[in-house]
Amino acid sequence: DAGVIQSPRHEVTEMGQEVTLRCKPISGHDYLFWYRQTMMRGLELLIYFNNNVPIDDSGMPEDRFSAKMPNASFSTLKIQPSEPRDSAVYFCASSLSRGLVETQYFGPGTRLLVL
Amino acid sequence: RKEVEQDPGPFNVPEGATVAFNCTYSNSASQSFFWYRQDCRKEPKLLMSVYSSGNEDGRFTAQLNRASQYISLLIRDSKLSDSATYLCVVNIGGNRKLIWGLGTSLAVNP
Repeated sequence: DAGVIQSPRHEVTEMGQEVTLRCKPISGHDYLFWYRQTMMRGLELLIYFNNNVPIDDSGMPEDRFSAKMPNASFSTLKIQPSEPRDSAVYFCASSLSRGLVETQYFGPGTRLLVL
Repeated sequence: RKEVEQDPGPFNVPEGATVAFNCTYSNSASQSFFWYRQDCRKEPKLLMSVYSSGNEDGRFTAQLNRASQYISLLIRDSKLSDSATYLCVVNIGGNRKLIWGLGTSLAVNP
């Protein structure tokens, strides 16, 4: 079975540019999570969706970040405009509502570098 | 104070050694506790849940001390393949939000 798919795997961009990260959750999973990981702050939850509806976006750093989930098989995280401090690894994860709360399945991540 | 705190290490141990990691959490209302493992430049993967009574999975033993608000992970007979970062994770309950420690780095040496 395919796991969580993220694209692109690597992104290098210049400050001020728009960045769009994409995620395809595991088929049938109804929860989707976006995380950011840095050495200093570790893994931080940015936002999560249930049945395509945003449930908690309190981790979204500021208005430059936005996330959408137009359907059950696709989500995007957009940064506009990007800044060097946004450089991090961005993970998408998915889980089942009837599953255990801790069992989140992560994608391979997108490594973002903003110059 | 961070909600979940771990000693970052690194812990350098020889093959076959026993190693233990601790993790403390600040919110006494925390309900669920887990250990995830993250290999270098890879995604986190669930290692095991932590139950009040303690639980064991092969060479791995996890324990919870609610009174002192800490969680532990014990690895016996360390293997080279155990080298990774171990992430302590907490759920407050009532939602799916996981709160993550920064991780403890383990290097098992031949």
